[in-house]
Amino acid sequence: ETGVTQSPTHLIKTRGQQVTLRCSSQSGHNTVSWYQQALGQGPQFIFQYYREEENGRGNFPPRFSGLQFPNYSSELNVNALELDDSALYLCASSLDGGGNTGELFFGEGSRLTVL
Amino acid sequence: AQSVAQPEDQVNVAEGNPLTVKCTYSVSGNPYLFWYVQYPNRGLQFLLKYITGDNLVKGSYGFEAEFNKSQTSFHLKKPSALVSDSALYFCAVRARGSARQLTFGSGTQLTVLP
Repeated sequence: ETGVTQSPTHLIKTRGQQVTLRCSSQSGHNTVSWYQQALGQGPQFIFQYYREEENGRGNFPPRFSGLQFPNYSSELNVNALELDDSALYLCASSLDGGGNTGELFFGEGSRLTVL
Repeated sequence: AQSVAQPEDQVNVAEGNPLTVKCTYSVSGNPYLFWYVQYPNRGLQFLLKYITGDNLVKGSYGFEAEFNKSQTSFHLKKPSALVSDSALYFCAVRARGSARQLTFGSGTQLTVLP
């Protein structure tokens, strides 16, 4: 069974640039969520994708956007990067689709540094 | 709105002693509750969850948690701590119904001393 994989693991950008982070979900999982974990804090929900549609969104501005592909992999795009966007970005997959009782399976994250 | 409080940033316990990591929550209606563990520079790993039924939930690596509705708590416990249990622990809550997001606490760093 293949786990959740994320790329890149580390990257450095400058303020105002754009970034794309990628995630391959665990085999058989149809739902992908993205979380932002700032240093010393718990993860914060960005959004969730199910069957290629966004079906939940946290308190993040529109410059945070995403995609889910037919193979259930996903991308997180952040435009106009700000210093406060520096964080560990975690992708999580699950099999509960429209339900919400299932646990999430997390990747190891992409650490973004904005200078 | 849903929220989670982990009142202790740091918990230290001697190896072999019982450990408790505290968590209280706030959510509309009945909650789904989760515990996750994070090792340095790694993603989160699922430990256990409470959905319904027995208030005492058993999970991975000998951990368990007790759901207390009247106190809105979901404390994580283990009868005998191991040095390898040292890690960052997160409690999380999700509201029943259409809510998608999992709301996490700020985390508790557990250190088990040999």
